[in-house]
Amino acid sequence: NAGVTQTPKFRILKIGQSMTLQCTQDMNHNYMYWYRQDPGMGLKLIYYSVGAGITDKGEVPNGYNVSRSTTEDFPLRLELAAPSQTSVYFCASTPIISGANVLTFGAGSRLTVL
Amino acid sequence: QKEVEQNSGPLSVPEGAIASLNCTYSDRVSQSFFWYRQYSGKSPELIMSIYSNGDKEDGRFTAQLNKASQYVSLLIRDSQPSDSATYLCAFLGSSASKIIFGSGTRLSIRP
Repeated sequence: NAGVTQTPKFRILKIGQSMTLQCTQDMNHNYMYWYRQDPGMGLKLIYYSVGAGITDKGEVPNGYNVSRSTTEDFPLRLELAAPSQTSVYFCASTPIISGANVLTFGAGSRLTVL
Repeated sequence: QKEVEQNSGPLSVPEGAIASLNCTYSDRVSQSFFWYRQYSGKSPELIMSIYSNGDKEDGRFTAQLNKASQYVSLLIRDSQPSDSATYLCAFLGSSASKIIFGSGTRLSIRP
């Protein structure tokens, strides 16, 4: 049981390049989330999904896109990378939404845009 | 107004003392609240969740929720050096699917 797997762990991009951060979970969780964490700050919600085929914007969606074609995968696409997107990106999932829900986080993907 | 606010710290507490962390939120519809701990360079991990007014205790940790005043707090008794971390409060937003985090409070336990 691998939990939530994120790839790559580290990546350096040049301004204007595009890339996809991969997130896969093997727990059959319906809810999946992408967060970014800037140095010394909390987590900001980028996008989330409540199930395959359903996605919605979070607090900071500009410059990103997502898709959810399967329950397991929730990739995050960065188009035209900018220095402001330098951050650590966390993917998380949970089976249900309730007062007892626990988010299972991936290990994070550290992205630097130069 | 930010949806959730925390003092960024750092908060320095002597070993063995009580550490008190606070969080205020603006969404009156929010029903569920969470405290996550994050060690440097690691992913957040859940410490406690609370959704009823009052106190909820789990070992050395006590979460307190006051919906009328819109704040949630975390008390850590008998603080240990291993408690040194960033503590993030989070809540389930009015959409009932969004989980929103605060900016985190950095806690340092000094020996």
